[in-house]
Amino acid sequence: QMQFQESGPGLVKPSQTLSLTCAVSGDSINTGGFSWSWIRQNPGKGLEWIGHINYLGATSYSPSLKSRVSISQDTTKNQFSLRLSSVTAADTGVYYCARSPLVLLAFDIWGQGTLVTVSS
Amino acid sequence: QSVLTQPPSVSGAPGQRVTISCAGSSSNIGAGYDVHWYQQLPDTAPRLLIFDNIYRPSRVPDRFSGSKSGTSASLAITGLQAEDEADYYCQSYDNSLSGSVFGTGTKVTVL
Repeated sequence: QMQFQESGPGLVKPSQTLSLTCAVSGDSINTGGFSWSWIRQNPGKGLEWIGHINYLGATSYSPSLKSRVSISQDTTKNQFSLRLSSVTAADTGVYYCARSPLVLLAFDIWGQGTLVTVSS
Repeated sequence: QSVLTQPPSVSGAPGQRVTISCAGSSSNIGAGYDVHWYQQLPDTAPRLLIFDNIYRPSRVPDRFSGSKSGTSASLAITGLQAEDEADYYCQSYDNSLSGSVFGTGTKVTVL
């Protein structure tokens, strides 16, 4: 069974760059037919899709975050990563990594999430 | 920036039936994209509850069912149980945003 584990700093200063990694176990992210997403949830709020990278390395981002976000993958380490620049308090929240089968467009496996607080 | 609208809350007594609506538009649900539903228990990650409008992963009880019509979709919970108290989100694809979109979320309370 594939599992995800998010990791990264829990506290980031305003204007700096948030960097998170999702370590994948149980199967390879090189397996064809999937995309690997980042999704966030502001405190007490709903879910927001940030973007994804697919097994070919192609990326797609939410228009509202596109100018600040970058998602990459390291197949040798079986992990994918998120970078979000110029963060503000509005970027505070729980960040999840998740898998989506390309034929499904739903998120069928999720990490447990990691809380990132933007504060000086 | 949710483009799918859900009621903030619904409630029901144990054993009752509740439904959650998910209103979209011609660029997402109305464009023919499938709707998926997630259940988020307190302090946990969301889990897939319904995919492709009507299908349940094998581990999900058949008390949960989904439907889709036009520019909206619905999730029904029959035989409501205390363990169903959670937040529920719909999700689809939006071709004007070229990405996934989530609903505003609905909190289900078991009275």
